[in-house]
Amino acid sequence: ILNVEQSPQSLHVQEGDSTNFTCSFPSSNFYALHWYRWETAKSPEALFVMTLNGDEKKKGRISATLNTKEGYSYLYIKGSQPEDSATYLCALSPGNQFYFGTGTSLTVIP
Amino acid sequence: DAGITQSPRHKVTETGTPVTLRCHQTENHRYMYWYRQDPGHGLRLIHYSYGVKDTDKGEVSDGYSVSRSKTEDFLLTLESATSSQTSVYFCAISVLAVSTDTQYFGPGTRLTVL
Repeated sequence: ILNVEQSPQSLHVQEGDSTNFTCSFPSSNFYALHWYRWETAKSPEALFVMTLNGDEKKKGRISATLNTKEGYSYLYIKGSQPEDSATYLCALSPGNQFYFGTGTSLTVIP
Repeated sequence: DAGITQSPRHKVTETGTPVTLRCHQTENHRYMYWYRQDPGHGLRLIHYSYGVKDTDKGEVSDGYSVSRSKTEDFLLTLESATSSQTSVYFCAISVLAVSTDTQYFGPGTRLTVL
């Protein structure tokens, strides 16, 4: 079992604020790092998958970076909107099994 | 939803009764997974399958069994449900995208064991 940690556990921001959160993982035997967005009462939705050190991915106002040498990934949301409220999960996939963090719950206050 | 359905979507049962949850996919993907989601624990892997009749245990497999007799169906069985198995259960498939697999999830089954 691989230990994937996310911080903070929860976050409340005002509409329009930019925010970021962290996913930490063991840097040895890295294969791929995934970010998911998970809205209440729905199923997790894949946002990004990153495999190379220094990878940066962007989708609209959301972006992510990856540092495999030190074992972390950052997810950034620029100009948060109420519809960004969700839990953001990261997962490490050394093979066909995925190891999920416990998520960061983001609430954007209008 | 990547062509994944789960049934039932909601179930309430009593302690000691058997329960079977079904995951169905329409795209013949090889890998299928069952997770449970609990507050403070995120998603934890129960069992997974890498082909018909090929399954393996995950992190929290005690009290659960699975079967896969057809590519499209992956069944999760609680032989004798306990209150600690009250949870939301998600099925997932693994899809190769560019250089690595990505998992896509079904809509979830909310199980309450009284």
